[in-house]
Amino acid sequence: EAGVTQFPSHSVIEKGQTVTLRCDPISGHDNLYWYRRVMGKEIKFLLHFVKESKQDESGMPNNRFLAERTGGTYSTLKVQPAELEDSGVYFCASSQDSGPGNTIYFGEGSWLTVV
Amino acid sequence: GQNIDQPTEMTATEGAIVQINCTYQTSGFNGLFWYQQHAGEAPTFLSYNVLDGLEEKGRFSSFLSRSKGYSYLLLKELQMKDSASYLCAPRGYQKVTFGTGTKLQVIP
Repeated sequence: EAGVTQFPSHSVIEKGQTVTLRCDPISGHDNLYWYRRVMGKEIKFLLHFVKESKQDESGMPNNRFLAERTGGTYSTLKVQPAELEDSGVYFCASSQDSGPGNTIYFGEGSWLTVV
Repeated sequence: GQNIDQPTEMTATEGAIVQINCTYQTSGFNGLFWYQQHAGEAPTFLSYNVLDGLEEKGRFSSFLSRSKGYSYLLLKELQMKDSASYLCAPRGYQKVTFGTGTKLQVIP
């Protein structure tokens, strides 16, 4: 069974450009999460989808970030326009259910560098 | 809000036992994860405690006390490959929050 997959694995863009990160959760997982780790800091929650609905987007830093999950399958996270402080690793994770007992599995991450 | 506290760094000898402690405060609690993360890689699931007590899984065990807001990860028979960051991650109503992690260095 394939795990959580993310694309691209690495991206280097200039300040002001746009980047779109994609996440394919484990098949059958309704819950999809985006997290971010900025250099030297802890992994921080960005948002949580249940199927195609945003359940919690309290961690989204500002309106330059837009996450979508049309059809409740894969998700995209767009950063537009990118700023230097957006550099970091963006992790996607998924779980079958959001209740107790359900493990959350992480993807390998998308490493974003804004120059 | 959520507050997670675990040691920043630990060093232990190959073959020894190490215990990594974590205290947490959460709004709502639905269990606690421990993840292992090697530098440059994704967090890898180690354990998930929902009820109080000790859960053993091979060389790794995890303990939870909900009333005390306390958990620990116990690693036995340490191997060099266990050198990594260990992330304590309590689960609130739905989302998981991560601490800064404990960087464990295993030395010969």
